[in-house]
Amino acid sequence: AQSVTQLDSHVSVSEGTPVLLRCNYSSSYSPSLFWYVQHPNKGLQLLLKYTSAATLVKGINGFEAEFKKSETSFHLTKPSAHMSDAAEYFCVVSDPIEYGGSQGNLIFGKGTKLSVKP
Amino acid sequence: SAVISQKPSRDICQRGTSLTIQCQVDSQVTMMFWYRQQPGQSLTLIATANQGSEATYESGFVIDKFPISRPNLTFSTLTVSNMSPEDSSIYLCSVDYRQGAPTYGYTFGSGTRLTVV
Repeated sequence: AQSVTQLDSHVSVSEGTPVLLRCNYSSSYSPSLFWYVQHPNKGLQLLLKYTSAATLVKGINGFEAEFKKSETSFHLTKPSAHMSDAAEYFCVVSDPIEYGGSQGNLIFGKGTKLSVKP
Repeated sequence: SAVISQKPSRDICQRGTSLTIQCQVDSQVTMMFWYRQQPGQSLTLIATANQGSEATYESGFVIDKFPISRPNLTFSTLTVSNMSPEDSSIYLCSVDYRQGAPTYGYTFGSGTRLTVV
């Protein structure tokens, strides 16, 4: 069964310093993995996705994530935090449809709230 | 990617009443999905809505409580029936947009924040 664990419920960084949001997953197959961001009172926005292509995935707003199968991880990073990055971030896993994954049944992590200090 | 308009954005409702949430997409999509995000929790899939057929509900969700309509390829509604305070959540619709096989991704509406008093 699929599952996803976000290791930190809250991360606080200073503006201009690196961001690391950790995510580990469990899946029977090579899964599809996503990172979404949710700003206060706004909808979910897709940051990036991994679907068995390059293991280093670049997303929007300078974020990137690396798929490491040996570590079952998909950590989200950004070299330099900006105040506008303060939001909640969700790591999401889905098994590919061709391997029995249920389309639309994305398994969400519990979220990591990122705070950015000036 | 698709653009989703969801309304209402928030509502406060009396227990025992029902609320219908609308989701409008700016392009035709085969499947639409409804999620619930309870306070302090992550998102959970309620059901999948296909045009022209009954919705498919996930374990723990039933049609009588969460009836769904999908009259065409750009629109869906979710009704939260006979509400109780435990239904207080954010409800989100989502669509699958495809940018070439085999990749896929999902766009979410901005959500409906429901408070039941």
